[in-house]
Amino acid sequence: DVKVTQSSRYLVKRTGEKVFLECVQDMDHENMFWYRQDPGLGLRLIYFSYDVKMKEKGDIPEGYSVSREKKERFSLILESASTNQTSMYLCASSESSGLGVYEQYFGPGTRLTVT
Amino acid sequence: AQRVTQPEKLLSVFKGAPVELKCNYSYSGSPELFWYVQYSRQRLQLLLRHISRESIKGFTADLNKGETSFHLKKPFAQEEDSAMYYCALSSYSGGGADGLTFGKGTHLIIQP
Repeated sequence: DVKVTQSSRYLVKRTGEKVFLECVQDMDHENMFWYRQDPGLGLRLIYFSYDVKMKEKGDIPEGYSVSREKKERFSLILESASTNQTSMYLCASSESSGLGVYEQYFGPGTRLTVT
Repeated sequence: AQRVTQPEKLLSVFKGAPVELKCNYSYSGSPELFWYVQYSRQRLQLLLRHISRESIKGFTADLNKGETSFHLKKPFAQEEDSAMYYCALSSYSGGGADGLTFGKGTHLIIQP
């Protein structure tokens, strides 16, 4: 069974704080993704990574950065949290063979509130 | 730019009735399309993908390139089908990876 875990289920931070969201997968997947999920907006891709130290911007990267130092771990960083970053954050991973798109496996999510 | 449209935010049907969740997409290339589902208090998971052409939990979806649609259908709804459903598109063309573009989701409620 693929397991994607996220470091916190709930997080409350103050405006201006630096926030780290951690994601770990145990299936040796090459690809990892960060999305945010908002009611009425669905899921939107923030960043993704297809290899260690490699990253690509998604649709809404502004205000976020990422780090992938090890294959199994993908971190999302909010350099200076703002109230409009209050959201549910979902991490996902998938394998890659260059032959097509594989199923993405999602973590349970981190509900971040910025006050 | 690619886009996925799910016109219904909320769909309520009675148990045993047919269900159709609509999904339209815009993409100039050859897309790969998916339906993901999120049951209450569970994580998002894949329901089905168009290239597999299989039926999962009684649901089917056919890619219609002429109408750029990928509607999800089930002939007889069950109460356990109540969930949030997301249609998603990948524009992957080989090499590296690509994230998914999701629709805004349809909340399906099956009434007893």
